[in-house]
Amino acid sequence: EAGVTQSPTHLIKTRGQQATLRCSPISGHTSVYWYQQALGLGLQFLLWYDEGEERNRGNFPPRFSGRQFPNYSSELNVNALELEDSALYLCASIHFGPEQFFGPGTRLTVL
Amino acid sequence: LAKTTQPISMDSYEGQEVNITCSHNNIATNDYITWYQQFPSQGPRFIIQGYKTKVTNEVASLFIPADRKSSTLSLPRVSLSDTAVYYCLVGDIGSGAGSYQLTFGKGTKLSVIP
Repeated sequence: EAGVTQSPTHLIKTRGQQATLRCSPISGHTSVYWYQQALGLGLQFLLWYDEGEERNRGNFPPRFSGRQFPNYSSELNVNALELEDSALYLCASIHFGPEQFFGPGTRLTVL
Repeated sequence: LAKTTQPISMDSYEGQEVNITCSHNNIATNDYITWYQQFPSQGPRFIIQGYKTKVTNEVASLFIPADRKSSTLSLPRVSLSDTAVYYCLVGDIGSGAGSYQLTFGKGTKLSVIP
């Protein structure tokens, strides 16, 4: 069974640009979670998508947004990038819970 | 969401048993306790979950006292490959998948010494 996949592995952007990160959950999993992990910090919950709908979001500004497609893959968009957005962005999928299956992450660097 | 407190770091020699304790004084009746392991530049990996008393699987044991205000993850006979960050999470799984929107915190960095 293929695990959660994320692309790209690394992404380098400059301040003010937009970044798009992608996630494909495990086949059959309908829920996708996005987390941000800044250097030296724990994972901070960003967004939760289930059955194509945004169900909840963490304490992040509106420039962090996303969507979930009919095949349950998901996209995270970060607009107007700031230096502090540099982090590892992790996607996780879940079926019936409680275990979350994480992808390898996308390392976003904002210069 | 119940807040958790863990030691920032721990050191252990290879072959020893390691116990990592997590405090969660405000745990709610419906909350479960879950532990994850994370290696550098990788996503966390589920280790174990429990509600009360003791849970054991092939990699770890989880001890939860009767008042459930703390829990202890026990790793038997650690090896160098167990060097990682360990996260304790508390949350209600009875409300559906949305309950897993948890904040992992900074976790406990375990260093296994040869």
